[in-house]
Amino acid sequence: EPEVTQTPSHQVTQMGQEVILRCVPISNHLYFYWYRQILGQKVEFLVSFYNNEISEKSEIFDDQFSVERPDGSNFTLKIRSTKLEDSAMYFCASRPLVSGYEQYFGPGTRLTVT
Amino acid sequence: LAKTTQPISMDSYEGQEVNITCSHNNIATNDYITWYQQFPSQGPRFIIQGYKTKVTNEVASLFIPADRKSSTLSLPRVSLSDTAVYYCLVGGANSGGYQKVTFGTGTKLQVIP
Repeated sequence: EPEVTQTPSHQVTQMGQEVILRCVPISNHLYFYWYRQILGQKVEFLVSFYNNEISEKSEIFDDQFSVERPDGSNFTLKIRSTKLEDSAMYFCASRPLVSGYEQYFGPGTRLTVT
Repeated sequence: LAKTTQPISMDSYEGQEVNITCSHNNIATNDYITWYQQFPSQGPRFIIQGYKTKVTNEVASLFIPADRKSSTLSLPRVSLSDTAVYYCLVGGANSGGYQKVTFGTGTKLQVIP
């Protein structure tokens, strides 16, 4: 069964450093997403991506964040200058062209900013 | 995304059937009802989605009454591994829309041996 994969599973970085989180969505999906979940809190939407451009973003997704689909398979989230409050689980998701909220999430990358 | 109400937590013994009900009084005509499961430190997992009546897959059943103002996720014969948070979502009428998922607090199901 196809699944979304994410690398790395855990990333530790120092405040102010840049990080890139990588995702490989399911191959025939058209919509891609990043979400985050701070420990003990709700899963929060960050950004959606379709047809090689951002379609929607939340207020969390400020200028420090960017997304890219550099080739036909990878989907990346970059945080330019990490802050302590960026520490969270980051989930990538992808969706086929269907109605409703049927999305497929990856296992997540745990980002720890020290 | 329509407002939903579901219990904060539920306990069940192993082997029992568990029914989690979600209220969504202001569901729109074309909205879908979707359920996710999340284990600690894992990504949410899509379980089941329906529009009306009953939907069944290998994991769960989803019962939707005619007025669609509520829905019930049914998990047959739960095991300890079904201990998780379950989220009910309503919306996503437009298949071409971006469909960002907004998760609430969900129902924390604890399965007891």
